[in-house]
Amino acid sequence: NAGVMQNPRHLVRRRGQEARLRCSPMKGHSHVYWYRQLPEEGLKFMVYLQKENIIDESGMPKERFSAEFPKEGPSILRIQQVVRGDSAAYFCASSTSGRSTGELFFGEGSRLTVL
Amino acid sequence: KNEVEQSPQNLTAQEGEFITINCSYSVGISALHWLQQHPGGGIVSLFMLSSGKKKHGRLIATINIQEKHSSLHITASHPRDSAVYICAVRTGYGGSQGNLIFGKGTKLSVKP
Repeated sequence: NAGVMQNPRHLVRRRGQEARLRCSPMKGHSHVYWYRQLPEEGLKFMVYLQKENIIDESGMPKERFSAEFPKEGPSILRIQQVVRGDSAAYFCASSTSGRSTGELFFGEGSRLTVL
Repeated sequence: KNEVEQSPQNLTAQEGEFITINCSYSVGISALHWLQQHPGGGIVSLFMLSSGKKKHGRLIATINIQEKHSSLHITASHPRDSAVYICAVRTGYGGSQGNLIFGKGTKLSVKP
């Protein structure tokens, strides 16, 4: 039973390009969460998705960032027109439930570097 | 002031020592998580607590809801325990359990 899979593990983009980060949750998990870890800072919640629905995007920057979790395939975090400040590690977690009884399982992270 | 504060920020220990990492929070919570992150690596969830105490191997986590405080203990520490330990809280009830507020982490280094 594979864990939460994120790819790419490392991504380099130039300013103005687009970055797409993928997250495949654990088998049987229908809840996905994205977090961002800026250099020398703590983790911050970005968005919570269930299949085909965004449940809570209160942590998402208002512009350039979007997320989806389609019926088939992985969840995708998309960053348009990247800037240097987007350089960070992006972590995905999944769970079977959106309630407090649902344990979270994290991926290895995707590390974005913007040149 | 951060809503979740951890201490110490950095901790160096000798192999075999008993280690305690503290987490204090200033908001009402429904659950608290302890996470482990190795350098350049992923995040592993160690514990999820809403009351009392949990034990897994050499790791013990406690929480005092009235005091708004949690501790993570490592008994008989080993160099492989070297990592960053992160405390995170979920506020309120219902809604998203993944909308966590994280501490800045405690960097632990265990010397052989």
